[in-house]
Amino acid sequence: KQEVTQIPAALSVPEGENLVLNCSFTDSAIYNLQWFRQDPGKGLTSLLLIQSSQREQTSGRLNASLDKSSGRSTLYIAASQPGDSATYLCALGSSNTGKLIFGQGTTLQVKP
Amino acid sequence: EPEVTQTPSHQVTQMGQEVILRCVPISNHLYFYWYRQILGQKVEFLVSFYNNEISEKSEIFDDQFSVERPDGSNFTLKIRSTKLEDSAMYFCASSEALPSQRNNEQFFGPGTRLTVL
Repeated sequence: KQEVTQIPAALSVPEGENLVLNCSFTDSAIYNLQWFRQDPGKGLTSLLLIQSSQREQTSGRLNASLDKSSGRSTLYIAASQPGDSATYLCALGSSNTGKLIFGQGTTLQVKP
Repeated sequence: EPEVTQTPSHQVTQMGQEVILRCVPISNHLYFYWYRQILGQKVEFLVSFYNNEISEKSEIFDDQFSVERPDGSNFTLKIRSTKLEDSAMYFCASSEALPSQRNNEQFFGPGTRLTVL
């Protein structure tokens, strides 16, 4: 059974710092991995999608990597800003029906 | 930019009542999903739906739950007899393609907060 774990659960950094969020999974047989942002009481905003054949994806200040052999993905945020404060979720597509399995998230606070 | 919409944003109901949560997926998307998030917990998959059929459902999605695409635009989740433990945020999502294909990114709606009293 696929398990998804995100460490740390919470992170507080000063503005301008580069940071890395971690996502680990137990079964390397995945189709894709998607990173989302969730603001308090709000929906999920898709940030990046990595297909299983890809090693990384970039969007602006965000870079996501995927290493299936070690069961890990990282989300790198460059030059963090207070507006980046949110919960970041990783989700794995392990089934071709589209089912996503979510981690519990990392709550990021960027202090001005 | 196209987006998934959900109504209502908040639904309060009495235990045992039926509720219908509504979603309008992105117009050219073919694959539809429901997830839920109990306060403070992980987002959990409920069901995936394609071509008017359920593709996969989770253990949570028991006989009290049903989904329907009643017309060309809406996608609904019905809970027949709500329980206290059904209180959660319910998210609808859609994608253009399956994970084995390109353009399989899932886009989520803003959610419906269901409170069962």
